Amino acid sequence: GDSVTQMEGPVTLSEEAFLTINCTYTATGYPSLFWYVQYPGEGLQLLLKATKADDKGSNKGFEATYRKETTSFHLEKGSVQVSDSAVYFCALSPVWGNQFYFGTGTSLTVIP
Amino acid sequence: ETGVTQTPRHLVMGMTNKKSLKCEQHLGHNAMYWYKQSAKKPLELMFVYNFKEQTENNSVPSRFSPECPNSSHLFLHLHTLQPEDSALYLCASSQVSDSLTPKLIFGQGTRLTVV
Repeated sequence: GDSVTQMEGPVTLSEEAFLTINCTYTATGYPSLFWYVQYPGEGLQLLLKATKADDKGSNKGFEATYRKETTSFHLEKGSVQVSDSAVYFCALSPVWGNQFYFGTGTSLTVIP
Repeated sequence: ETGVTQTPRHLVMGMTNKKSLKCEQHLGHNAMYWYKQSAKKPLELMFVYNFKEQTENNSVPSRFSPECPNSSHLFLHLHTLQPEDSALYLCASSQVSDSLTPKLIFGQGTRLTVV
């Protein structure tokens, strides 16, 4: 079945460090891919998305590229800030239907 | 986006109580979802409603009873819960169509504690 695997956390980085959170998926065809972010005490917010191979989603300095050949959608940011501390979820939505499959989440803490 | 509103934000209930969680979306979406988020566990899909019809029920215990009276409102009725049901319950909505890329919009969640 369709699924998402993302790297285990927690991840701790110093401010202005480079961030990569790995995400790979298993799905038939070309699913849509998403990154969601959850700040403490809040629900999940859509961070970025991509709908076809080689698409790059970007928002707030975060980027992720849809790689069909490696079935990956890694999240990157060149210079993290303390305010980026949150839990990040990779997700996919299959070609058909209204299902969404989430990874287990990766907790990020950025220290000054 | 703040188009999905959940109430209450926090709820403490005893194991013999009956309570309901409410979700309302103002986005004109046609699908609504209940997810359960427990500490150190993946997000669990509980129920999906598409055009007010339940299309998914992921083996959820009967002590959780969903209700979707229209495409804008979703309830989760709770009774005789167990302490392990304590979690963050998230409501979400999406617009499902052949031409649009779906995206889930979440509410802020209800933090439920069963004592």
